[in-house]
Amino acid sequence: GENVEQHPSTLSVQEGDSAVIKCTYSDSASNYFPWYKQELGKRPQLIIDIRSNVGEKKDQRIAVTLNKTAKHFSLHITETQPEDSAVYFCAADNYGQNFVFGPGTRLSVLP
Amino acid sequence: SQTIHQWPATLVQPVGSPLSLECTVEGTSNPNLYWYRQAAGRGLQLLFYSVGIGQISSEVPQNLSASRPQDRQFILSSKKLLLSDSSFYLCAWRGQDTGELFFGEGSRLTVL
Repeated sequence: GENVEQHPSTLSVQEGDSAVIKCTYSDSASNYFPWYKQELGKRPQLIIDIRSNVGEKKDQRIAVTLNKTAKHFSLHITETQPEDSAVYFCAADNYGQNFVFGPGTRLSVLP
Repeated sequence: SQTIHQWPATLVQPVGSPLSLECTVEGTSNPNLYWYRQAAGRGLQLLFYSVGIGQISSEVPQNLSASRPQDRQFILSSKKLLLSDSSFYLCAWRGQDTGELFFGEGSRLTVL
């Protein structure tokens, strides 16, 4: 089955710097890769996603890149702000029925 | 637009008592429905998913069970809670024709 790894597990950046979180997946049949942001005590919320027919997608300060050959995808956050502090989860679509999530990255943006 | 409701939001139960968490989705039909569990500071563990009424797939053996009595209703149950069942439980839905997964607000269960 699908296996998703995520690095780093924790990340601290200064406000205004960029943050990058990387995920790798094992099943080449996976074709949909979402990213979720979870603030403390709240539900995960979808912030951006990418499908396997696209190499990059951007939404304001957030971007996701996908390398199908290497089976990895990354979340890029530019001009980080304190409200970006949260836990971020990547996921890979496992045959259209359920997702396999990465273990999460705790991002801290220091003022 | 689609919405997902999950209740109760918080629950404190004694060991050995039963559990029932309920989730309903509005604004869509025939969604895929999911129950996840998240221990404090940890990742998302898939417990059950359902692609239709009465169809339940279990990912992790435990003392929990799930049922889908109606198209947009998903219930998580236990006959006898264990201390280790204390966790944050999240219901989620996914449309049949989209890839996006949306979570309910979660139910925080404490077993004493």
